Amino acid sequence: KNQVEQSPQSLIILEGKNCTLQCNYTVSPFSNLRWYKQDTGRGPVSLTIMTFSENTKSNGRYTATLDADTKQSSLHITASQLSDSASYICVVSAGYGGATNKLIFGTGTLLAVQP
Amino acid sequence: SQTIHQWPATLVQPVGSPLSLECTVEGTSNPNLYWYRQAAGRGLQLLFYSIGIDQISSEVPQNLSASRPQDRQFILSSKKLLLSDSGFYLCAWSVPAGAHFFGPGTRLTVL
Repeated sequence: KNQVEQSPQSLIILEGKNCTLQCNYTVSPFSNLRWYKQDTGRGPVSLTIMTFSENTKSNGRYTATLDADTKQSSLHITASQLSDSASYICVVSAGYGGATNKLIFGTGTLLAVQP
Repeated sequence: SQTIHQWPATLVQPVGSPLSLECTVEGTSNPNLYWYRQAAGRGLQLLFYSIGIDQISSEVPQNLSASRPQDRQFILSSKKLLLSDSGFYLCAWSVPAGAHFFGPGTRLTVL
């Protein structure tokens, strides 16, 4: 069964600190993995997308890693800001590309950055 | 640039009433279109996806239906709402195998 699990479920950190969010998946065939940021009451916004051959992808203060052997990904946030408070969703695409690919969504990690 | 619109932003409807949520995309042609529902504390659940006009695939059996009357218009409907239809509904578009771009969402409360 295709599954995406994220940890922790929620996290509270102080402004300026770093944090790392985890994503473990059992998805086959693996196509790509994406991290989304979802502000409360808004639609998710894509942060990074990584294919099988990519180990690291950065987007500003966000750095995603992918270990295809252990089927794990992490999202590292550096020097957190209050605006980083949101839900971070790991999404794995299963398939061989095209319209038949299915997205498997994690339930997200709720991050709260406090001043 | 591409933009995606959803309306209304919030909706409160009584049980048994009809529903119509609309989604439109600008700045792209022949996108894949999706309807997702996000229940409180739950992950996103794909409801419908469409790869072209009048081409709709349903992912889960339910009380809802979808239609795509135009290339960049996607409508989510119900003839009679249930309490369990409450949730946050998100429309999204993508190119095949590409990242999803989500709309702002509609918060539906069925009373």
